[in-house]
Amino acid sequence: KAGVTQTPRYLIKTRGQQVTLSCSPISGHRSVSWYQQTPGQGLQFLFEYFSETQRNKGNFPGRFSGRQFSNSRSEMNVSTLELGDSALYLCASSPQGGKTEAFFGQGTRLTVV
Amino acid sequence: QQQVKQSPQSLIVQKGGISIINCAYENTAFDYFPWYQQFPGKGPALLIAIRPDVSEKKEGRFTISFNKSAKQFSLHIMDSQPGDSATYFCAASTRGNRDDKIIFGKGTRLHILP
Repeated sequence: KAGVTQTPRYLIKTRGQQVTLSCSPISGHRSVSWYQQTPGQGLQFLFEYFSETQRNKGNFPGRFSGRQFSNSRSEMNVSTLELGDSALYLCASSPQGGKTEAFFGQGTRLTVV
Repeated sequence: QQQVKQSPQSLIVQKGGISIINCAYENTAFDYFPWYQQFPGKGPALLIAIRPDVSEKKEGRFTISFNKSAKQFSLHIMDSQPGDSATYFCAASTRGNRDDKIIFGKGTRLHILP
C-alpha cells in the first residue's frame, strides 16, 4: 500500500503570494489532517477533513484554508503569504478519523521570502 | 486544558544508555497516548502508543510508562543506539471521538553519541 504523498516537497514563494499544497492519503483512508511544523512551535493542528467536510479546525487565521475531494485527496491553500508562514506542512491520513493511528506524509517545506 | 507538555527539549545520551522523555497532560478526557518518531526530512511515524488502562507498554527497546493519577507519561529507550537519533513527539487524544484531534508535545531532539 502506498503511503501518504505530499506535493510538492519544496516550495519558495514571495510575501503576498498564495500557495496550494496537495496531499494524497493512503488508499481507503477518509480522514486527512494538516499540521504546521516549525522549530519553535512543534506540530500545530491546522484542520481535518473527513468525507469532503471540514470536521475540525485549529487556531490559524482565515488565510489558511483547505478542501477535500471525493477521492479523499486534500489540498491546503495559504493566501497572502507572510514570512512567518515558512514551515514544514505535514498531512496525515487515518482510516476513519478519531485521530488515533495517523500516518504522515513527508511534508512540504514552504519558504516565504 | 488541551496542552501536552514535553521535556526535555533536547537530550544527548551515550550509546547503550537509557533515553527518557517525559510528557504531562491536563485534559483528563484524553485516553490515547501515542509517541511519534521523526527523522530529518521525513514525516513523523507512529512508534508506540498506550491507553490509560495499563501502566506500561513495551515494544522491543521502547517502553511507555503511564501514571494516570499524575497525568504523566514517559518514553524510555533502552540500550539507545545512534540510529535512534531523531525527534520524538508525545501526543494525546480521545480515541474514538471523531471530532477530536491529536494534541502534540513540542518535541524532543534526541542525539545518541556513538
